[in-house]
Amino acid sequence: DQQVKQNSPSLSVQEGRISILNCDYTNSMFDYFLWYKKYPAEGPTFLISISSIKDKNEDGRFTVFLNKSAKHLSLHIVPSQPGDSAVYFCAAGGAGNMLTFGGGTRLMVKP
Amino acid sequence: SQTIHQWPATLVQPVGSPLSLECTVEGTSNPNLYWYRQAAGRGLQLLFYSVGIGQISSEVPQNLSASRPQDRQFILSSKKLLLSDSGFYLCAWSVRGGADNEQFFGPGTRLTVL
Repeated sequence: DQQVKQNSPSLSVQEGRISILNCDYTNSMFDYFLWYKKYPAEGPTFLISISSIKDKNEDGRFTVFLNKSAKHLSLHIVPSQPGDSAVYFCAAGGAGNMLTFGGGTRLMVKP
Repeated sequence: SQTIHQWPATLVQPVGSPLSLECTVEGTSNPNLYWYRQAAGRGLQLLFYSVGIGQISSEVPQNLSASRPQDRQFILSSKKLLLSDSGFYLCAWSVRGGADNEQFFGPGTRLTVL
């Protein structure tokens, strides 16, 4: 049973437009959520996170929104750039420093 | 600053051969350590995690094993590789007891079993 799901395996966006990546979770015990970015043949790098006590966190072009009642979070990238093309993983954590990852969404930003 | 190393970067092994992947962390003490696998077209699957020397927890049944002989060293092993063991293996660390769950990943090892 997947506790963290990214239902869109891929997303294509035009440069300069907004990219919206979605993530759903089922475990209400998760209290911290993270987004990672991964290029081919490299390890994931941390992008942005949000605690369950917040509903929004912003860092430059990246904003993460959390809707606890819907158990849904999203990552907005505005404006999208070709260098943003990568696989994005959402992850959820609770007690014990464990993370549960979604399946990833491949973002392609077209020039 | 903290760094995490993995080697080798790529590996091609025949079915039935042994495996040893190594991960080391620098610049921190008493980290939690993790081994993940990313199979083709799939997400990150947690294989093992460790909260201390000699303490290993396995998340999925498999023919892989892990060991932590030193505080900042984590080794992934197999006695006999299967074709299904092919994938991208990632080591990660986190601050033990950290509040934000953030994990830091190594560069990964691409394993191809033929």
